[in-house]
Amino acid sequence: DAKTTQPPSMDCAEGRAANLPCNHSTISGNEYVYWYRQIHSQGPQYIIHGLKNNETNEMASLIITEDRKSSTLILPHATLRDTAVYYCIPPEGVNFGNEKLTFGTGTRLTIIP
Amino acid sequence: DAGVIQSPRHEVTEMGQEVTLRCKPISGHNSLFWYRQTMMRGLELLIYFNNNVPIDDSGMPEDRFSAKMPNASFSTLKIQPSEPRDSAVYFCASARTGDTEAFFGQGTRLTVV
Repeated sequence: DAKTTQPPSMDCAEGRAANLPCNHSTISGNEYVYWYRQIHSQGPQYIIHGLKNNETNEMASLIITEDRKSSTLILPHATLRDTAVYYCIPPEGVNFGNEKLTFGTGTRLTIIP
Repeated sequence: DAGVIQSPRHEVTEMGQEVTLRCKPISGHNSLFWYRQTMMRGLELLIYFNNNVPIDDSGMPEDRFSAKMPNASFSTLKIQPSEPRDSAVYFCASARTGDTEAFFGQGTRLTVV
């Protein structure tokens, strides 16, 4: 199973794009990359996932490098409500029902007013 | 749907007492996960069920912990006897096989004094 590495903390100015990196250099060809976030005192919340193509949804964009060894989560216009811990999930939880969804230490993102 | 419902939201108990945490997954979901979160260890997967059957309980810390899922709409996590080191926030999550997103409850904050 692939492992991930994320910076422990980051700051971003309100209204600017927040770019959160994740290294997953041991990822294999069929393993997805998932991102979740956890706002203080709440349960984790799914954001986005991808395999090899860039993905975008209403919450964020996910840029995956061509070699798939790293990815970047982009929050295009960060707001104070985006302050949270962001987890790049090791892809053990691809097929719910058969595998585990396990969390690393994540990146604590603080949005500065 | 009201989402994943956990009860109680807060629990304070004395060391040695039995504690039961409850979870109602989202209707139609057939996977259920129990997590524990502490400052020291982060989010740890304790056990997960698929179609009411425990698939992997390797994260359960010791025999004092037990989990059951008697039907598709209810699960319990029991600690007997409880110890101060069990103090944590316990999250329940559910998912549907083949879906890409797991949904988390608001958690139960357990304090053992």
